[in-house]
Amino acid sequence: DAGVIQSPRHEVTEMGQEVTLRCKPISGHNSLFWYRQTMMRGLELLIYFNNNVPIDDSGMPEDRFSAKMPNASFSTLKIQPSEPRDSAVYFCASQGHGETQYFGPGTRLLVL
Amino acid sequence: EDQVTQSPEALRLQEGESSSLNCSYTVSGLRGLFWYRQDPGKGPEFLFTLYSAGEEKEKERLKATLTKKESFLHITAPKPEDSATYLCAVQAHSGNTGKLIFGQGTTLQVKP
Repeated sequence: DAGVIQSPRHEVTEMGQEVTLRCKPISGHNSLFWYRQTMMRGLELLIYFNNNVPIDDSGMPEDRFSAKMPNASFSTLKIQPSEPRDSAVYFCASQGHGETQYFGPGTRLLVL
Repeated sequence: EDQVTQSPEALRLQEGESSSLNCSYTVSGLRGLFWYRQDPGKGPEFLFTLYSAGEEKEKERLKATLTKKESFLHITAPKPEDSATYLCAVQAHSGNTGKLIFGQGTTLQVKP
């Protein structure tokens, strides 16, 4: 299996622009997580889907952030409009029937 | 509030010099404690899951142990390739059972 796939791997954009991050979970996994990692706050959960349904979005910082999971093999995290404080590494992780979450390589986002 | 604290923040060892990393946690009912390894520019890589006090797990030079308040990651005779950031995370029984709460990590450097 290729593992969790994320794209793009790097994104540089200007403040105010829309940013879309993409994730393909491991085939057969039914839970998907979006995390954000910064030096100040470490790894934080943004939102969690189970069977394509959002279960917990309490970590989404504000209305500028939205996430979708239209099917079992694809999810997006959108930031509109982006701000410099959104600069971070965004990770997607997927989980099957056990408790272990497997992480993707991350998307490094820089908002200028 | 569920919380994870890791110490030390950074650790430098000579090759072959054994040591331990600490993860102290406060959680409302532990579902599982997870150890991950993260190399620069990559996503966290799963190492171990521990479920109950007294449990131990080993993998090569790494051994993870768990008590009711903390977990240790023991590194025996480390090699330079063990250099990485080690992350500890807990998952609680209550509320959103999928959510992982991460510590800030311990960055280990092993010098030849």
